[in-house]
Amino acid sequence: AQKITQTQPGMFVQEKEAVTLDCTYDTSDPSYGLFWYKQPSSGEMIFLIYQGSYDQQNATEGRYSLNFQKARKSANLVISASQLGDSAMYFCAMREASGGSNYKLTFGKGTLLTVNP
Amino acid sequence: GAGVSQTPSNKVTEKGKYVELRCDPISGHTALYWYRQSLGQGPEFLIYFQGTGAADDSGLPNDRFFAVRPEGSVSTLKIQRTERGDSAVYLCASSAAGTYNEQFFGPGTRLTVL
Repeated sequence: AQKITQTQPGMFVQEKEAVTLDCTYDTSDPSYGLFWYKQPSSGEMIFLIYQGSYDQQNATEGRYSLNFQKARKSANLVISASQLGDSAMYFCAMREASGGSNYKLTFGKGTLLTVNP
Repeated sequence: GAGVSQTPSNKVTEKGKYVELRCDPISGHTALYWYRQSLGQGPEFLIYFQGTGAADDSGLPNDRFFAVRPEGSVSTLKIQRTERGDSAVYLCASSAAGTYNEQFFGPGTRLTVL
């Protein structure tokens, strides 16, 4: 089974509107972290937001927020007030703490977001 | 300060040749990672260095792949006898000691094996 599933290959949003990018994960590890990265056409992976499995509140970073639903194993990214510069690939990733490999990120296949003017 | 840098940005080689890909991490970052991103996929873990030693090389696909970090800073990923299936973007990332919450990625090297 895939550890990270991003079911939306592509998403479109109008400028200034909010958009939600879906991510579900699969782990039996009680301690894990969830990440979202943005990859523009230049290729560089840009860290956006992090959520720890024990964090009580949903993470927020500026216009980015993470809708963490632990029981459903979902970690959706919400981008508010979309901007043209938000057009990019978005990757959800997980780091599991067990087995001493708490540094290794496992990525989903990504969602291509296009912001329309 | 400067971010993670990778050279070359693009590398085209012929099947069977040897290539070296270089990564210069953020100054002071002791942890360094290599990932490979095939077309249409997310990055896949290859190897992790803590300081000079490879703490985990379980993601290297086979023994044609090797990476070094002799002085605990710059790392080189080496691929022998390249195959067409090695074509991908090779990403390097680094993070500060004691924290794995944020890995800072470089722009990647796009390797094309003809």
